[in-house]
Amino acid sequence: AQTVTQSQPEMSVQEAETVTLSCTYDTSENNYYLFWYKQPPSRQMILVIRQEAYKQQNATENRFSVNFQKAAKSFSLKISDSQLGDTAMYFCAFMADQTGANNLFFGTGTRLTVIP
Amino acid sequence: KAGVTQTPRYLIKTRGQQVTLSCSPISGHRSVSWYQQTPGQGLQFLFEYFSETQRNKGNFPGRFSGRQFSNSRSEMNVSTLELGDSALYLCASSPGTDYQPQHFGDGTRLSIL
Repeated sequence: AQTVTQSQPEMSVQEAETVTLSCTYDTSENNYYLFWYKQPPSRQMILVIRQEAYKQQNATENRFSVNFQKAAKSFSLKISDSQLGDTAMYFCAFMADQTGANNLFFGTGTRLTVIP
Repeated sequence: KAGVTQTPRYLIKTRGQQVTLSCSPISGHRSVSWYQQTPGQGLQFLFEYFSETQRNKGNFPGRFSGRQFSNSRSEMNVSTLELGDSALYLCASSPGTDYQPQHFGDGTRLSIL
């Protein structure tokens, strides 16, 4: 079974500063995918960034980047130049690379508040 | 492209009733997954449909069921509603192949009185 742990229930950051959200996971799979999703108060879950486990290079998407440490089973999200619109719940999610296993396992989320 | 559309946005029911939620995926997406989000249990996978067949199922009782139509639209049904079924139900679609990311709808907020 897969588990995803987000140990920071809440975090805050000053506008324009950088913040890192932590995520660890447990799996016996060798191939898998990791995601960060953002859920603002509007409640729609929005994909922030995706990482394939077989890729050593960390994924980057504009101001968002990840630090993927496969051996440590760690997948943190760094948000640079934080903006007010980044205020949201952030969920780390795992998907196994198996045929017919197109389901996500989510962590409990980190509530991020960007302070003006 | 239009996003994932879920209807209705809000629903209020009483215990013992049944409810049907609808999800229209992004055009061209053949996989639809359903998730339940509650403050206590977080986000939990219910089931996934691909090409009208249930391909994957989470650990929920048989009161939770779904189906998918030939146009990939999906419905989720919950029978004999319980207070604990109050939740945000999220639908997500993806092409269903090559492990492409899932794209979510705005969800249906179900409240049981």
